[in-house]
Amino acid sequence: NAGVTQTPKFRVLKTGQSMTLLCAQDMNHEYMYWYRQDPGMGLRLIHYSVGEGTTAKGEVPDGYNVSRLKKQNFLLGLESAAPSQTSVYFCASTKTREGTDTQYFGPGTRLTVL
Amino acid sequence: RKEVEQDPGPFNVPEGATVAFNCTYSNSASQSFFWYRQDCRKEPKLLMSVYSSGNEDGRFTAQLNRASQYISLLIRDSKLSDSATYLCVVNMGSSASKIIFGSGTRLSIRP
Repeated sequence: NAGVTQTPKFRVLKTGQSMTLLCAQDMNHEYMYWYRQDPGMGLRLIHYSVGEGTTAKGEVPDGYNVSRLKKQNFLLGLESAAPSQTSVYFCASTKTREGTDTQYFGPGTRLTVL
Repeated sequence: RKEVEQDPGPFNVPEGATVAFNCTYSNSASQSFFWYRQDCRKEPKLLMSVYSSGNEDGRFTAQLNRASQYISLLIRDSKLSDSATYLCVVNMGSSASKIIFGSGTRLSIRP
């Protein structure tokens, strides 16, 4: 099993450009999450999904959109990138009810917005 | 006050030493607790869950003190490979949005 994969691994954008980050998991997990990690701060939840076709906002959702059309995929979109969105983005998944289960993380996407 | 607080370190200790760090949390109703390990420029990985009675996994011991609202991680006989950042994670409710990560404690083991 590949576990959780993310594409791309690195990306540089100019302010105002858009992009989509793809997260895929092959563990048949119900729950998927998008986090961002900035220096000196813990991982902060952007959006999450409790199942195919459902999404919900996390702590820092502004400027991002998500979709979960297939159980194994969770997409994170930036419609108009801003320098404040320069960060490392991690996707994660859990098998069962959130909070009581191990989170499996992808390798991360390093995004720079100029 | 941050919901989950950790000493950022770095803790710089010699190989073979015992090192411990704490993590405090603000919500007394928090339900579950974890330690994750994150290597430089890598993703976090679960190190161990923290149970009410305390638990041990090899050289690692985790403890929970609900009265004082902190969890701790003790590493005995530290190895060079233990060098990493240790993230404290607290589930403060029944929703995914209530899983809070600490900013991490950096540990460096020197030969």
